[in-house]
Amino acid sequence: AQSVAQPEDQVNVAEGNPLTVKCTYSVSGNPYLFWYVQYPNRGLQFLLKYITGDNLVKGSYGFEAEFNKSQTSFHLKKPSALVSDSALYFCAVGRNNFNKFYFGSGTKLNVKP
Amino acid sequence: KAGVTQTPRYLIKTRGQQVTLSCSPISGHRSVSWYQQTPGQGLQFLFEYFSETQRNKGNFPGRFSGRQFSNSRSEMNVSTLELGDSALYLCASKPAGPTDTQYFGPGTRLTVL
Repeated sequence: AQSVAQPEDQVNVAEGNPLTVKCTYSVSGNPYLFWYVQYPNRGLQFLLKYITGDNLVKGSYGFEAEFNKSQTSFHLKKPSALVSDSALYFCAVGRNNFNKFYFGSGTKLNVKP
Repeated sequence: KAGVTQTPRYLIKTRGQQVTLSCSPISGHRSVSWYQQTPGQGLQFLFEYFSETQRNKGNFPGRFSGRQFSNSRSEMNVSTLELGDSALYLCASKPAGPTDTQYFGPGTRLTVL
């Protein structure tokens, strides 16, 4: 069975500090991994995805994520957090020949000035 | 390109009624997926339609149904509403395949009284 885990319900970080939002996955076969962000009362916005190739993926708004096959992880990172990054972040996984995505439970990121 | 649009944005119904939600995908996208988002359960996959056919289905009761039209627009119907159906219903579209990025609409907030 496919699944995604976001072990932290909430992450707190000071503005200007680096941030990491964790995601681990379980999928048979090669995974396709995605990160989305959701602001209050809005839909999800796509940040980045990993399909194949370079393990470090760069996305929107200065975010990046590193695919680690041995640890089955796809952590989202940003070198310097902004207050405007405060939102709910979702990790999702899919796989080949499988058009259904599984989403993690979400991590609330709080960036304090 | 215009994004994914959903109508209505807000809806209030009473128990026992039925409701129909509408989703217009991004032009050229043939796959439309529906998700239910609640604070307790997170994002749960309802179903996916591709070329007017249901391609994937989540674990929801038969009261939840959907369809897709030849122009890729999709509707979701919930019959005999229950209090627990109160949620944000999100629609997402993508071109076709499992590596394609899903783009989300703003959602329809359904409140069941």
